[in-house]
Amino acid sequence: EVQLVQSGAVLKKPGESLKISCQGSGYSFTTYWIAWVRQMPGKGLEWMGIIYAGDSDTRYNPSFQGQVTMSVDKSISTAYLQWSSLKASDTAMYYCARGAGIYDFDYWGQGTQVTVSS
Amino acid sequence: QSALTQPASMSGSPGQSITISCTGTSSDVGGYIYVSWYQQHPGKAPKLMIYEVSNRPSGVSDRFSGSRSANTASLTISGLQAEDEADYFCSSFTSSSTLVFGGGTKLTVL
Repeated sequence: EVQLVQSGAVLKKPGESLKISCQGSGYSFTTYWIAWVRQMPGKGLEWMGIIYAGDSDTRYNPSFQGQVTMSVDKSISTAYLQWSSLKASDTAMYYCARGAGIYDFDYWGQGTQVTVSS
Repeated sequence: QSALTQPASMSGSPGQSITISCTGTSSDVGGYIYVSWYQQHPGKAPKLMIYEVSNRPSGVSDRFSGSRSANTASLTISGLQAEDEADYFCSSFTSSSTLVFGGGTKLTVL
């Protein structure tokens, strides 16, 4: 069974750093892309970018370029999304999702709620 | 890249058919076959319902169908059921090699 399991909810202060994870199982992790999608409270979905787990080829949405970093650790079938300095406006639910290409996503993680508040 | 345009809300009665539109440009919806639709129930992760304009993933009910005309894609749900009440989002590949989502449509089953 294909599964993407994300790390748990976090509460951080502005200016702090954060790295959230997404572990894949039940499929060949390195032959798929992992996308990250933001959903702010009560709002729609925003494509942040995508990383190919096989070689870490990464494409960022220009709106998120320089604000976050995507990475993978193939040895543990895990993708990461990290921030070096969080802002209150980063408060959102973050989903990872699997794609055979960069166009559509057939399996999704359960989401990681990130709350940034002083 | 601006979000694709969807109606904010729609409603229908059980058994009816409903069509949700998703309007973009020739640089996204009208230019590529990579248009998808997702269903999201409250508090849940999105679920892929349609990919490449009109293809259904295994396990998705054939009551859901997708189509496209020029720069507008559409998701049609026939035989509306209570369980179809959810938010629906379209997405499209773009000429910038990025992906853009629609603003979402809240579907209410009366």
